[in-house]
Amino acid sequence: DGGITQSPKYLFRKEGQNVTLSCEQNLNHDAMYWYRQDPGQGLRLIYYSQIVNDFQKGDIAEGYSVSREKKESFPLTVTSAQKNPTAFYLCASSNDWYNEQFFGPGTRLTVL
Amino acid sequence: KQEVTQIPAALSVPEGENLVLNCSFTDSAIYNLQWFRQDPGKGLTSLLLIQSSQREQTSGRLNASLDKSSGRSTLYIAASQPGDSATYLCAVRVAGGGADGLTFGKGTHLIIQP
Repeated sequence: DGGITQSPKYLFRKEGQNVTLSCEQNLNHDAMYWYRQDPGQGLRLIYYSQIVNDFQKGDIAEGYSVSREKKESFPLTVTSAQKNPTAFYLCASSNDWYNEQFFGPGTRLTVL
Repeated sequence: KQEVTQIPAALSVPEGENLVLNCSFTDSAIYNLQWFRQDPGKGLTSLLLIQSSQREQTSGRLNASLDKSSGRSTLYIAASQPGDSATYLCAVRVAGGGADGLTFGKGTHLIIQP
């Protein structure tokens, strides 16, 4: 089955820790994205990547980092510099930047 | 900066009714508009994508229209069913913005009463 997988489904982090969220796609899509969703707010873009070894900051990149070493993978690291990391994180991909975006099932991160 | 607004924020209707969800955006220079469905605690499911040159798209009981000049889109759901209960999100991609992401509305929470 083609699709986007995210792991883990739930993640708990102690204050001061860095954690990495996984996103993998087997759709052969060039573009990948990370969004954050908070209750009562729309999704907000954290980082995006149009091609391997290239990525750009979105609207709320502070406290986050990414890498794009492989076409299929776009991991997101939530660093200790992110002041309020508790949220639902969604990964997406598209065939090209102007095409339909498809989303993974999400990772819910909670800071203890 | 592009802003997307969805009205109403919540809607509850009896099963079988036809209904319309509204989406408006402040900058008409969009490349496309996408409607999504989100079930509680889940990711987003793409419903329809309308390119800026199109007026509407249809998929089954769903019909989405786009009036770019007025900054509006509607999602029409025919013969609603309890399984349609979900949050519906509208998102636009700004033209000329390169590979940056979508700008989302906050969604309409829809409940279909059996």
